[in-house]
Amino acid sequence: NAGVTQTPKFQVLKTGQSMTLQCAQDMNHEYMSWYRQDPGMGLRLIHYSVGAGITDQGEVPNGYNVSRSTTEDFPLRLLSAAPSQTSVYFCASSYGSGSRATEAFFGQGTRLTVV
Amino acid sequence: GESVGLHLPTLSVQEGDNSIINCAYSNSASDYFIWYKQESGKGPQFIIDIRSNMDKRQGQRVTVLLNKTVKHLSLQIAATQPGDSAVYFCAENMGGYNKLIFGAGTRLAVHP
Repeated sequence: NAGVTQTPKFQVLKTGQSMTLQCAQDMNHEYMSWYRQDPGMGLRLIHYSVGAGITDQGEVPNGYNVSRSTTEDFPLRLLSAAPSQTSVYFCASSYGSGSRATEAFFGQGTRLTVV
Repeated sequence: GESVGLHLPTLSVQEGDNSIINCAYSNSASDYFIWYKQESGKGPQFIIDIRSNMDKRQGQRVTVLLNKTVKHLSLQIAATQPGDSAVYFCAENMGGYNKLIFGAGTRLAVHP
């Protein structure tokens, strides 16, 4: 059971470059999210999705785009990389909402460095 | 604004002792809380969760306590082991939908 898979694990970008971080889950979860984690800090929500075709912004959405064309995949696009986007990015998935909400399952992360 | 915070950034314990990690939250409407463990270079791993209609929930060697009056929850780890060394986060799930609000984390260091 693969769970949540993120690729790549490591990436170095030059300022101004664009790229897509991939995330796939095989648990048929409705909800998927992207978080970033800066050194010594907790995770902060970038974007989330409640189902295919439905996305919304989280706490720190600027500079990032998402789309969700299938239940399984939720890619995160960096439009024009900046050094401030150097971070570790985590994708997560879960099912249920409100009183049916369950814990989120996280991928292993993508460590991104922008130079 | 809404936030989830932690009282101590670092906790050092002796192997075999019990550990208590505390967390405060500010949104009185919060109804679902999760504790995660994060080892170096890995993603957060689920430990235990609790809903607002409960005061206490037990797992294997772990117990979560929720005090809604003072908006506080704690994670208790019994007989702490070296493998428990990690950063622990509490997170508030904002109405489901995988919108988690994390605290900064507490690093647990277990000494032999």
